[in-house]
Amino acid sequence: KQEVTQIPAALSVPEGENLVLNCSFTDSAIYNLQWFRQDPGKGLTSLLLIQSSQREQTSGRLNASLDKSSGRSTLYIAASQPGDSATYLCAVFSGGSNYKLTFGKGTLLTVNP
Amino acid sequence: KAGVTQTPRYLIKTRGQQVTLSCSPISGHRSVSWYQQTPGQGLQFLFEYFSETQRNKGNFPGRFSGRQFSNSRSEMNVSTLELGDSALYLCASSLGSLDRGMYSPLHFGNGTRLTVT
Repeated sequence: KQEVTQIPAALSVPEGENLVLNCSFTDSAIYNLQWFRQDPGKGLTSLLLIQSSQREQTSGRLNASLDKSSGRSTLYIAASQPGDSATYLCAVFSGGSNYKLTFGKGTLLTVNP
Repeated sequence: KAGVTQTPRYLIKTRGQQVTLSCSPISGHRSVSWYQQTPGQGLQFLFEYFSETQRNKGNFPGRFSGRQFSNSRSEMNVSTLELGDSALYLCASSLGSLDRGMYSPLHFGNGTRLTVT
């Protein structure tokens, strides 16, 4: 059974700091991994989708890496801003007809001005 | 392009009642998947519909059911509500069916907050 863990559960940083969020998974037989952000009371917004054949994806100040063999992914946020404050979740997709989509419980990020 | 729309935003029901939630996907998206989010269990996959057919189902009791219409809109029904069904219910849409692989991101609605008293 796939288990997805996100550490730390909460993180508070001053504005402008570079930071790394971690996601680990127990079964390396995955198709892809997706990072989302969730604002309070809202749905999820997709940030980056990394296919199993890729090592990293970048979008603006965000960079996500994937190491399937070690069961780890990191989300790097450069020059953090107060608007980055949200909960960040990773989700692992194990494909096939009986696919599984397993979410971590998220990291609550607070960026202080 | 309009995003994923979920209605209603909030619902309060009593134990034993049933409830129906609605999800309208992004235009052109044919896959709709449903999720339950609670503080204790986090986000859990309920089921996916594509072309009016259920493609996959998570580990939830039969009280949770769904359907999809020819215009790709989907409804989720929960019968005989229990206190533990209180949660944020999210739906997401995507272009293709997830059992063919997730080659494009999931697009989520803002959810329906269900409270069972």
